[in-house]
Amino acid sequence: AQSVTQLGSHVSVSEGALVLLRCNYSSSVPPYLFWYVQYPNQGLQLLLKYTSAATLVKGINGFEAEFKKSETSFHLTKPSAHMSDAAEYFCAVTLTGTASKLTFGTGTRLQVTL
Amino acid sequence: GAGVSQSPSNKVTEKGKDVELRCDPISGHTALYWYRQSLGQGLEFLIYFQGNSAPDKSGLPSDRFSAERTGGSVSTLTIQRTQQEDSAVYLCASSLEWGNSPLHFGNGTRLTVT
Repeated sequence: AQSVTQLGSHVSVSEGALVLLRCNYSSSVPPYLFWYVQYPNQGLQLLLKYTSAATLVKGINGFEAEFKKSETSFHLTKPSAHMSDAAEYFCAVTLTGTASKLTFGTGTRLQVTL
Repeated sequence: GAGVSQSPSNKVTEKGKDVELRCDPISGHTALYWYRQSLGQGLEFLIYFQGNSAPDKSGLPSDRFSAERTGGSVSTLTIQRTQQEDSAVYLCASSLEWGNSPLHFGNGTRLTVT
């Protein structure tokens, strides 16, 4: 079985500050990992994904995430927050090599203040 | 189509009535997923389809919930004898295949049971 844990249901940063959203995973086999973003009243959109090709993954809107096997983590970062980044962010995991559902974390709501 | 289409976008129903929620995936996507998003909670997996078969129905909350997919395309999620705790946003997603293919989400159906 696989699972993800997102630390912090709400994160608030100032515009221009570093964004760090934490995600830790649990998986019995090498995982595929994803970050999705949900803007208000919209469906989820893929930000980036890790599929074992490279440990540092760059996504859309300046976000990136680093896969750290030793820490079982896949934290999402952005050097400088923008007001438009305010949204809910979900980390998700699925297993490699099998037909498997995508399991989501409980989400982190990012607030960006002036 | 251009994206995953869900209908209706909003549904208000009385407790005890049956409802059907429809999902039209992106053409050519073989995998289809249903998730439920309740207020203040993350995404709860319900069921997924690979073609017309459902390898994993483990997330269906009770026997009042069922889903089918026909022709490897449109899927219907049916909730019988709705209860107030069924109120949530029901999200559908599709992907080219299971595994590392990213999910494309619809905007969801907001179900309110009064």
